[in-house]
Amino acid sequence: EPEVTQTPSHQVTQMGQEVILRCVPISNHLYFYWYRQILGQKVEFLVSFYNNEISEKSEIFDDQFSVERPDGSNFTLKIRSTKLEDSAMYFCASSDVSLIYTEAFFGQGTRLTVV
Amino acid sequence: QKEVEQNSGPLSVPEGAIASLNCTYSDRGSQSFFWYRQYSGKSPELIMFIYSNGDKEDGRFTAQLNKASQYVSLLIRDSQPSDSATYLCAVNEGGGNKLTFGTGTQLKVEL
Repeated sequence: EPEVTQTPSHQVTQMGQEVILRCVPISNHLYFYWYRQILGQKVEFLVSFYNNEISEKSEIFDDQFSVERPDGSNFTLKIRSTKLEDSAMYFCASSDVSLIYTEAFFGQGTRLTVV
Repeated sequence: QKEVEQNSGPLSVPEGAIASLNCTYSDRGSQSFFWYRQYSGKSPELIMFIYSNGDKEDGRFTAQLNKASQYVSLLIRDSQPSDSATYLCAVNEGGGNKLTFGTGTQLKVEL
């Protein structure tokens, strides 16, 4: 069964460092998303991406964050200068069409720990 | 502030019983509604989604949507210990591509 894959599964970084989280969405999907979940809290939307551009972003997704689809298979989230409060599980998701008509499938997540 | 509300639980049901999980939402423009299951430390796993008023059944699961009351529920029949998890309600606000999640309801199915 097709699945969204994320690497690495766990990333430890020092405060102020840049991190890149990687995702391979399901191959025929056109919409890509990043969500995060701080430990013990709810899943929060960060950004959606369609047709090589950001379609929506949340207040969390400030100038420290960026997304890119560098090739036909990968979708990345970059955090330029990590803060302690960026520590969370980051989930990539994808859907084949708009969420009005279908569901989003989530990857297994990357646990980011900022020390 | 658009909200998705769920009772955090825990909701405890005996094995074989029906578990009823509820969710309310504030954005009347929402068009699709999703139920995800999340085991501790794992990613959300889709159970089902619904966008029309009424019931939608898939195996032991039934989702119920009432847009007038801004209410969506999930029934789990013949609950099993493996159903013990946190159930997340998610809503696509304004009919867009952003999911807003509730805090989740923890379900415990007891032997």
